[in-house]
Amino acid sequence: GAGVSQSPSNKVTEKGKDVELRCDPISGHTALYWYRQSLGQGLEFLIYFQGNSAPDKSGLPSDRFSAERTGGSVSTLTIQRTQQEDSAVYLCASSRGGGNQPQHFGDGTRLSIL
Amino acid sequence: QQQVKQSPQSLIVQKGGISIINCAYENTAFDYFPWYQQFPGKGPALLIAIRPDVSEKKEGRFTISFNKSAKQFSLHIMDSQPGDSATYFCAAPTSGSARQLTFGSGTQLTVLP
Repeated sequence: GAGVSQSPSNKVTEKGKDVELRCDPISGHTALYWYRQSLGQGLEFLIYFQGNSAPDKSGLPSDRFSAERTGGSVSTLTIQRTQQEDSAVYLCASSRGGGNQPQHFGDGTRLSIL
Repeated sequence: QQQVKQSPQSLIVQKGGISIINCAYENTAFDYFPWYQQFPGKGPALLIAIRPDVSEKKEGRFTISFNKSAKQFSLHIMDSQPGDSATYFCAAPTSGSARQLTFGSGTQLTVLP
């Protein structure tokens, strides 16, 4: 597709389970970002990938959160041992090169922890 | 750590009125200040952006005004329409990073018919 694709669109899971969220960026975009958006809140930066450089993980809230980007394209955000406070919309964005390049967002994955 | 302060948190405007949303930032690593528009259930979409070699940028009914010395910028929506009802986010470059943005907390705009 032409835009950023995220899957699943909704995920409901029990506390303590692991979840994987997928992001398929726009073809040719070297930068990829993950954000978390809690209900009625702004965008909280989680992690940033740029090309083959080491990712900037400074926004990850705990060591239960991790992400990888394979082949410079698809990215997976993994949350281990989920907690209720992890409930949020997880948004992925990509851009041509980061910085002053426009970020294009997917529609997010709405994660609900029971 | 960059902070971007956005106000108001919510705004109600009559159709045809002017909507004004303000943002203030602390430091910049580069000069690029975008505004995003988000509808319920959708991801944010870039609305308009400014590089502060100019003090104002206009695209249709949307205008960004930029005051570099005050570290403030604002979004003006002229002739507001019910279809403009959405959440608006400003963003500013994250201090200490050459490639990231810090987003404001968002303004929920409601335009009454």
